[in-house]
Amino acid sequence: GQNIDQPTEMTATEGAIVQINCTYQTSGFNGLFWYQQHAGEAPTFLSYNVLDGLEEKGRFSSFLSRSKGYSYLLLKELQMKDSASYLCAVGDSNYQLIWGAGTKLIIKP
Amino acid sequence: ETGVTQTPRHLVMGMTNKKSLKCEQHLGHNAMYWYKQSAKKPLELMFVYNFKEQTENNSVPSRFSPECPNSSHLFLHLHTLQPEDSALYLCASSQVERGASDTQYFGPGTRLTVL
Repeated sequence: GQNIDQPTEMTATEGAIVQINCTYQTSGFNGLFWYQQHAGEAPTFLSYNVLDGLEEKGRFSSFLSRSKGYSYLLLKELQMKDSASYLCAVGDSNYQLIWGAGTKLIIKP
Repeated sequence: ETGVTQTPRHLVMGMTNKKSLKCEQHLGHNAMYWYKQSAKKPLELMFVYNFKEQTENNSVPSRFSPECPNSSHLFLHLHTLQPEDSALYLCASSQVERGASDTQYFGPGTRLTVL
């Protein structure tokens, strides 16, 4: 079967750094996506990794290791507005996205 | 604003009602999707329309019926739903290209409650 695992909930402090992990087992691999979803809103695209390594985009970075079936999203200089759910999704051999259940990130002052 | 709109944003219906959800994308994409999002569960893909043709239905119950009249509009017709169908229904669109997973852009969703 196909499976995406990520922690259900994480808590971090404003101004700190947090790493959200995602492990996957899929039939094929055609890229890994991270999305952010605020409560009651649409998921919005954050990052896409298809090759191993780190992709940096401002305060957010995403890392991929295809051999380990592993990715993480790194958020630096946390702000209260970063409180949201973070969804990991993997493109399988049919280019269909397989989704994780999301990680709810709570930022405390 | 993601360029994908959905109406209504909230819907309460009885099990014998018939209603429709509407989605419109203003991004010029060639594929549209319906997802179901339940609390603490992964997004469930319900239907995919690629170039207006349905390519996936993922064994969705027949009480959900999709319609895609053109590449910009997508409907989800609902009838005789069950309480367990209560969820957030998300529409998304993307530009499908060969040999790559495409980034999907989501609408704000319709929060559906079935009584």
